[in-house]
Amino acid sequence: EAQVTQNPRYLITVTGKKLTVTCSQNMNHEYMSWYRQDPGLGLRQIYYSMNVEVTDKGDVPEGYKVSRKEKRNFPLILESPSPNQTSLYFCASSLKPNTEAFFGQGTRLTVV
Amino acid sequence: GDSVTQMEGPVTLSEEAFLTINCTYTATGYPSLFWYVQYPGEGLQLLLKATKADDKGSNKGFEATYRKETTSFHLEKGSVQVSDSAVYFCALFYSGGYQKVTFGTGTKLQVIP
Repeated sequence: EAQVTQNPRYLITVTGKKLTVTCSQNMNHEYMSWYRQDPGLGLRQIYYSMNVEVTDKGDVPEGYKVSRKEKRNFPLILESPSPNQTSLYFCASSLKPNTEAFFGQGTRLTVV
Repeated sequence: GDSVTQMEGPVTLSEEAFLTINCTYTATGYPSLFWYVQYPGEGLQLLLKATKADDKGSNKGFEATYRKETTSFHLEKGSVQVSDSAVYFCALFYSGGYQKVTFGTGTKLQVIP
């Protein structure tokens, strides 16, 4: 089954404790993205990747890092999380950026 | 920069009513336009898309026409069902700029029996 898998689904952490949210897709897609969803702000793109070892900033990259060492994986790293990064995060992949995007189930992150 | 503006929600309709959710965009050039739907507790799913002016995207009874002259991509459905209750996002991708997708803020639709 074609899918994008994010882990964990829910995470509560403390300020400053590094964390990684994993994202994996099994569709051999080139384009992958991370978004955060906040009430009244919709989805905002954090980072995107056009292919292996090619990543670029989206609209709200501050406080986040990503890597794309393999085509299927695109982890999101918060080196020192802060409460303003409490949000619902989605990973997505598509063959190209202008084709259908497939989204993961989301990760609800709370930073206290 | 590129932007998408959607009508504020929530929108509450009775079953079988006509639905319109407005979406306008700002982009230099000719973006591809999308509507995504998010059901409670799930990720987004593509509902329909259009890649050039005057294209009409359609799926599951929903339609949207790419109007370059009014920079709009309004979502319509002739008769909504309770199962259409969800959040709807308009989005654009413009290949001439950064290779990123811009989403609107989402419009929540609630359909009551």
